[in-house]
Amino acid sequence: GAGVSQSPSNKVTEKGKDVELRCDPISGHTALYWYRQSLGQGLEFLIYFQGNSAPDKSGLPSDRFSAERTGGSVSTLTIQRTQQEDSAVYLCASSLAGAGWETQYFGPGTRLLVL
Amino acid sequence: AQKVTQAQTEISVVEKEDVTLDCVYETRDTTYYLFWYKQPPSGELVFLIRRNSFDEQNEISGRYSWNFQKSTSSFNFTITASQVVDSAVYFCALSANNAGNMLTFGGGTRLMVKP
Repeated sequence: GAGVSQSPSNKVTEKGKDVELRCDPISGHTALYWYRQSLGQGLEFLIYFQGNSAPDKSGLPSDRFSAERTGGSVSTLTIQRTQQEDSAVYLCASSLAGAGWETQYFGPGTRLLVL
Repeated sequence: AQKVTQAQTEISVVEKEDVTLDCVYETRDTTYYLFWYKQPPSGELVFLIRRNSFDEQNEISGRYSWNFQKSTSSFNFTITASQVVDSAVYFCALSANNAGNMLTFGGGTRLMVKP
């Protein structure tokens, strides 16, 4: 597709379960970002990939959160032992080469609800 | 540390009115980039504009215009002759070369344009 795609679009899970969120960046974009949008915290950065490497993991809120990227393309954000405070919209973005001046293009997000 | 402040959490106007959304930023970097994104009810963040810190020229695109003033660390966004379709949440964001490639977002301004 032409844009960033994310799946699932909605996820409802029970507290304590693990979830995986997927992001498919724009073809040819080497940089990929994960952000979280929640009512109390606004839009916050989670992690950034350049190729398959993650030089900046500073935004991951706890060790229950992890992410990987394979083949320089698809990325998966995994949340283990989900908590209710993990409920949020998880947004993925990509940019061409990862320079600070580049525009990041966002996907539609995955809305996660932890019961 | 970087910070973006959008003091207006919600604005309501009547169609055809002009409206200005304020954005104030803080950064210690001399090279930085400012962005505006629109988030319609569908949820996807849509890129509107990017400016770099060396270019203070104002920009106009149709009914949209942006006023960048380094002296006041502001990057304000004006919609002329607003339309109902402009109803959305608008985010101002900042990235800087020396602060990784993440975007730091303001809290967003919800604009409601009534017919």
